[in-house]
Amino acid sequence: QVQLTESGPGLVHPSETLSLTCTVSGFSLTGYSVYWVRQPSGKGLEWMGRMRYNGDTSYNSALKSRLSISRDTSKNQVFLKMNSLQTDDTGTYYCTSYNGAYWGQGTLVTVSS
Amino acid sequence: NTVMTQSPTSMFISVGDRVTMNCKASQNVGTNVDWYQQKTGQSPKLLIYGASNRYTGVPDRFTGSGSGTDFTLTISNMQAEDLAVYYCLQYNYNPWTFGGGTKLELK
Repeated sequence: QVQLTESGPGLVHPSETLSLTCTVSGFSLTGYSVYWVRQPSGKGLEWMGRMRYNGDTSYNSALKSRLSISRDTSKNQVFLKMNSLQTDDTGTYYCTSYNGAYWGQGTLVTVSS
Repeated sequence: NTVMTQSPTSMFISVGDRVTMNCKASQNVGTNVDWYQQKTGQSPKLLIYGASNRYTGVPDRFTGSGSGTDFTLTISNMQAEDLAVYYCLQYNYNPWTFGGGTKLELK
């Protein structure tokens, strides 16, 4: 069945780079797009960007200068890298696919010294 | 960016109520709007896609409607398990944008 699982460091220091991995199963990354969405604690959802099935990427313009999304189709993984992290980047980061029908459980990222 | 404005931000409801919440887009997004339900501590769940299409397994008490700039999610006969925050999402323009959410709470 379709599954998405986010993984990452949990704690990142201010000004450092966040690296997250979304590992998928039950479908091919060359057939379906994967999206990243984040949620500051106690707040709403923010669409960050996507890795399309054909390898194209698009980003939220508010994050574009700091954000990079890539993939390794052989490992069924999509990667998110975001640099210059600040405390307001703290929150839960989700990957989702199948046009929003499937989501990972989310991974909490805390930015703190 | 396309701003999605949800109203109200919260509602106090009773089981059995008919609940209506709204989402207004700052520009025409056609019917490229989804609705999501998020319960505390859980990932969002897709309820409605393409403004009015109920996703597989979603109870028929959930109905989405609208096009252009104005969208509505209606829950007829509210159940206790429907207590959650509901978000709209437009995917007509990049970047995709979520509304701020409508939180349903018990009276």
